[in-house]
Order: sequence, then C-alpha cells, then structure tokens
Amino acid sequence: EAGVAQSPRYKIIEKRQSVAFWCNPISGHATLYWYQQILGQGPKLLIQFQNNGVVDDSQLPKDRFSAERLKGVDSTLKIQPAKLEDSAVYLCASSLMAGAANYGYTFGSGTRLTVV
Amino acid sequence: AQSVTQLGSHVSVSEGALVLLRCNYSSSVPPYLFWYVQYPNQGLQLLLKYTTGATLVKGINGFEAEFKKSETSFHLTKPSAHMSDAAEYFCAVSEFTSGTYKYIFGTGTRLKVLA
Repeated sequence: EAGVAQSPRYKIIEKRQSVAFWCNPISGHATLYWYQQILGQGPKLLIQFQNNGVVDDSQLPKDRFSAERLKGVDSTLKIQPAKLEDSAVYLCASSLMAGAANYGYTFGSGTRLTVV
Repeated sequence: AQSVTQLGSHVSVSEGALVLLRCNYSSSVPPYLFWYVQYPNQGLQLLLKYTTGATLVKGINGFEAEFKKSETSFHLTKPSAHMSDAAEYFCAVSEFTSGTYKYIFGTGTRLKVLA
C-alpha cells in the first residue's frame, strides 16, 4: 500500500511569512495526526482528526497555526505568520482508528521548515 | 499526565556489539509502549509495541524490548549491531485522554555504529 505522502519536503521562509503543508494519508485511515518535531526533541502532537472532525487540538498554537481536513481525506497545516521558533520538521501520520494500542501509526517523511 | 524518559541522547556501539537503549515511563495505569526508529530525512517507523501479554516483545530488524512493570522500563536491545542500525530511536507511551489515545514521545536516542 502507498504510504503517507507529504509535501513539500523542505521549505525555507522568512519570519512573518505564511506557509502551508499538505498531507495525504493512507487510503481508508480515518485518523490523521500532525506532529511538530523540533531538533533534539521528540515529536509533539499538534492536532488529531477523526475523519473530518477535530478530536484534539489542545497543543496547537491557534493564534498562528490552523489545520483542516475538509473531506476527511487529505489535510493541510498552515502557519501564519511564522516565527523563528517554528523551525522544525512537521510530520503527518495516519491510523485506521484512534485506538493507538491496537493500531500503529504510519508516518510520512515530514516537511522540514526553516524560518530565517 | 504520563511521561517518557530516554537516558542518553547519543549512544555509540561497535559493529557486532550489543545495543541497549533505555526507556523509562511514568504511568498510573498499565501502559501501551512503543519503540519507533527514524532514519535520516525519513518519518518514524514502528519497531515494536507492547500492549498486553508476553512482556518480551520482538520487533523488526532483530530488535526486542522487555516490559518491566516493577522498574517502569521498556529498554530496547539488539544482540549484534549492524551499520544499518544507525538512526534515531524514540520510545513512546500511549495515553488515553479526552476520549482518544495519543502518543507521548521521549526525546530520542541517536545510535551511532562504529566500524
């Protein structure tokens, strides 16, 4: 089966600019996650979707970050305006269901964002 | 809230030597535990997981981990390191909050394999 697709792979922007990332999960996976991985740290969950609804966005900086999954398939994550501390790898993952105990996540290769 | 501690941000071993990557967790309930591997410029790949049952879990690429409740540990081992094992390894615990499961990741351990 095809994996989780993410684009772009790399992005360099200046602070205060906006940027968007795209993710296409594995076909049939109802649950989609966006993680932020800052250098030297473990991935941190930003937002979790179940189909096209938001399940958890408690760690999403909503003043500048937004995400949508309108048709319950692919998703976009946007940052506007970007700050230097947003430099990180943004990972998308999907799973069949939200029960992580029985279903492992499949991660995409990530988008490496550098804010200068 | 649960947490995961990985001792040693960098570990170096010689090729053919034992690999031991340490992970301790804090949890008030029986946890679900995972190890993921991340190769350069790639996403995370599931190595193995513990949910219930046998405490010694075998994963891909010859890795295994043992769940020790008394020590709140889930250390990852491999008897003989290969050059291809060089990567970053993340331990994670699954937490049930707000009606859904989500991972709490450790900060990772970068494994270097010396020829």
